[in-house]
Amino acid sequence: EPEVTQTPSHQVTQMGQEVILRCVPISNHLYFYWYRQILGQKVEFLVSFYNNEISEKSEIFDDQFSVERPDGSNFTLKIRSTKLEDSAMYFCASSEKGYTGELFFGEGSRLTVL
Amino acid sequence: DAKTTQPTSMDCAEGRAANLPCNHSTISGNEYVYWYRQIHSQGPQYIIHGLKNNETNEMASLIITEDRKSSTLILPHATLRDTAVYYCIVRVDEWDKLSFGAGTTVTVRA
Repeated sequence: EPEVTQTPSHQVTQMGQEVILRCVPISNHLYFYWYRQILGQKVEFLVSFYNNEISEKSEIFDDQFSVERPDGSNFTLKIRSTKLEDSAMYFCASSEKGYTGELFFGEGSRLTVL
Repeated sequence: DAKTTQPTSMDCAEGRAANLPCNHSTISGNEYVYWYRQIHSQGPQYIIHGLKNNETNEMASLIITEDRKSSTLILPHATLRDTAVYYCIVRVDEWDKLSFGAGTTVTVRA
């Protein structure tokens, strides 16, 4: 069964460092998303991406965050200067039909900012 | 402003049906009801969705009341691997993102 894959599974970084989280969505999917979940809290929407541009972003997704689809397979989330409060599990998701369709989530990348 | 209300937690016996309620009294005519679950800290997993008719797939059944103000997710034969947080989510239309609430923590006991 096709799946969304994310790397790294866990990254530890120092505050102020740049981090890039990578995702390989399911191959025929066109809609891509990033969510995050701080330990013990809800899953929060960050951003959606379609046709090489951001469709929607939340208040969390400020200037420190960016997304990119550098080639036909990868979808990345960059955090320019990490803060302690960026420590969370970051989930990538993709879907074939936009929000009406089923979102397939990856297993997540755990980011720990020290 | 939560669109859905779910119990915080519930227990279920292995092999029995698990009935998970969800209230969405302010749901509009064009809004869908989606169910996802999250096992431990894994990525959320789609279960089922519906508009007004009852739906069934290989994982679960979704029963939506006639007035659409509430719904029930039924796991017909719960197993220990069904222990997870279950999220009931209302989505307006194709441009509406998934907004996760706190969900119901379901514990299946042997």
